[in-house]
Amino acid sequence: EVQLVESGGGLVQPGGSLRLSCVASEFTFSSHWMDWVRQAPGKGLEWVSRLNSDGSVTIYADSVKGRFTISRDNAKNTLYLQMNSLRGEDTAVYYCARKGKSGWNFDLWGRGTLVTVSS
Amino acid sequence: QTVVTQEPSFSVSPGGTVTLTCGLSSGSVSTTYYPSWYQQTPGQAPRTLMYNTNTRSSGVPSRFSGSIIGNKAALTITGAQADDESDYYCMLYMSGGVLMFGGGTKLTVL
Repeated sequence: EVQLVESGGGLVQPGGSLRLSCVASEFTFSSHWMDWVRQAPGKGLEWVSRLNSDGSVTIYADSVKGRFTISRDNAKNTLYLQMNSLRGEDTAVYYCARKGKSGWNFDLWGRGTLVTVSS
Repeated sequence: QTVVTQEPSFSVSPGGTVTLTCGLSSGSVSTTYYPSWYQQTPGQAPRTLMYNTNTRSSGVPSRFSGSIIGNKAALTITGAQADDESDYYCMLYMSGGVLMFGGGTKLTVL
């Protein structure tokens, strides 16, 4: 089945770090740009970051720039999000998403992993 | 900073037609913003409905359609059904390659 499965979420103290993973199955992961999108509890969707297919081009939302790093290992079909200097406002479900072939949109979503930043 | 705007809530009767819109706090939405639409029910991941303004994603019923109306992107549901009751988010491609979601519209079918 074509799918994305996130992991690595959990409870972390403010100022701490966490690394999320997203494993892709049943498609050519190395051909696709990938993104992270988050959703705070009871709130709307927020785009976080994008990475091109070979990992050479990254872009970040202003809210995470300088604190989060997106990366990938195409040999492992895995996308990562390294999150440092975490704040309470980073508490959210984090989804990985595959960029669609045409335009700027997502054609495949994972189920998400919850990150809670609290002391 | 420019914000993507959506109606916070909307209500439609079963079988009725509703148009949700997606605008900008400053400026007009056009096809160059590559508007896309996502449906989300509580506790679930988003589902892609529409991309590039008016292209339906695979498996999306034909009662969903996308367009530009005036200075906004629009998602129209013709013949609304009970299971269309969801949150709907639009997303725009902004300058610099950043993507931006609207705040979402909570659609009630009753």
